[in-house]
Amino acid sequence: DVKVTQSSRYLVKRTGEKVFLECVQDMDHENMFWYRQDPGLGLRLIYFSYDVKMKEKGDIPEGYSVSREKKERFSLILESASTNQTSMYLCASSISPGTSSYFGPGTRLTVL
Amino acid sequence: DQQVKQNSPSLSVQEGRISILNCDYTNSMFDYFLWYKKYPAEGPTFLISISSIKDKNEDGRFTVFLNKSAKHLSLHIVPSQPGDSAVYFCAASGGPFLKNYGGATNKLIFGTGTLLAVQP
Repeated sequence: DVKVTQSSRYLVKRTGEKVFLECVQDMDHENMFWYRQDPGLGLRLIYFSYDVKMKEKGDIPEGYSVSREKKERFSLILESASTNQTSMYLCASSISPGTSSYFGPGTRLTVL
Repeated sequence: DQQVKQNSPSLSVQEGRISILNCDYTNSMFDYFLWYKKYPAEGPTFLISISSIKDKNEDGRFTVFLNKSAKHLSLHIVPSQPGDSAVYFCAASGGPFLKNYGGATNKLIFGTGTLLAVQP
């Protein structure tokens, strides 16, 4: 059974804190993605990675960075959390970037 | 610039009837289309896909129709069941196996979602 896991289901942080969201997949996929989901805006791509140490900006990368040191792990970093980063964060992985992705359960982040 | 649009934020259908969810796209380079289903507090799960060489793909109660000239696709659920109540996202890409990273269509572009409520 394929799996994408995310380190936290719910997270509450304060403005200005550095936040780490971790994602692990067990499918040996090259491609991993970070999205955020907001009401009325759908799923928006923040960053994706197509190989270890490789990354590419998505549609809304501002305020975020990522790290991919191992194939199975993709981390999203909020350098200085702000209230407008309160959202549902979803990690995904896939065999290729344009095909069906497997998603993790999501992390509901609240920034106060 | 929303390349993939789902103009109906919500849809309510009676159990046993047909649910039709619509999706429009603007980029003629899109070649592969997918539907995902998402329950609250869970990640989206892949439902069904269609390549541009086809105009219909069926999987059990779910059928996706593609009209390339109109840049429109739809998901039909027949018969609808209360367990189908969820948010449905359509997504598009330049193709399932493109590896030209950096291109505008080499990754999935999602719509804004439609909340389907199936009434018992």
